[in-house]
Amino acid sequence: QTVVTQEPSFSVSPGGTVTLTCGSNVGSVSTSHYPSWYQQAPGQAPRTLIYNTNTRSSGVPSRFSGSILGTKAALTITGAQADDESDYYCALYVGNGHLFGGGTKLTVL
Amino acid sequence: QVQLQESGPGLVKPSETLSLTCSVSGGSIINYYWIWVRQPAGKGLEWLGRVYSSGSTNYSPSLKSRLSMSVDTPKNQFSLKLASVTAADTAVYFCARVRAYEFDYWGQGILVTVS
Repeated sequence: QTVVTQEPSFSVSPGGTVTLTCGSNVGSVSTSHYPSWYQQAPGQAPRTLIYNTNTRSSGVPSRFSGSILGTKAALTITGAQADDESDYYCALYVGNGHLFGGGTKLTVL
Repeated sequence: QVQLQESGPGLVKPSETLSLTCSVSGGSIINYYWIWVRQPAGKGLEWLGRVYSSGSTNYSPSLKSRLSMSVDTPKNQFSLKLASVTAADTAVYFCARVRAYEFDYWGQGILVTVS
């Protein structure tokens, strides 16, 4: 059974760059998994940031970018801002459905 | 602007069936996939399943035996039923629209407690 893996936590300094990753326990993540990324503030619905590996959703700032790095999908935040402090989830398309990773708690300090 | 709104009982007894509806406004339910996602308190997101406007469905393997989803196109809404619930099904349930692998519109979520 596929498990999607993410770093449990990460920290970045304001203005810095951070890359969060999204892996699979059964092999490499590729564009065929249509990786997507979501930001979720406490008590709020998720907000879609990236879909189809590297396409930004409407209204998402350009400091958010998606890619495949080696065997994983990646979300890079360039020039982190205080309000980027949030939970981030990735999802992979596997077998006619999606699987979410466990999420990464990003701290900006 | 498309808006989604979940509705249903906030409290369900163990062993009973959890039933939720997602009402879609500002757009048609036709020709899209619609999904349900849940999140237990303090935990991560879990994709439950999807339903197409034609009624075809795909479910999470872990819930497939208890889960059903359907679409009511005249009412522009879709629904989820989860049978034989336990405390482990207590969560915030979200509905969302899927457009080309993008979950582009989300509902605000509804808390369902099994007790």
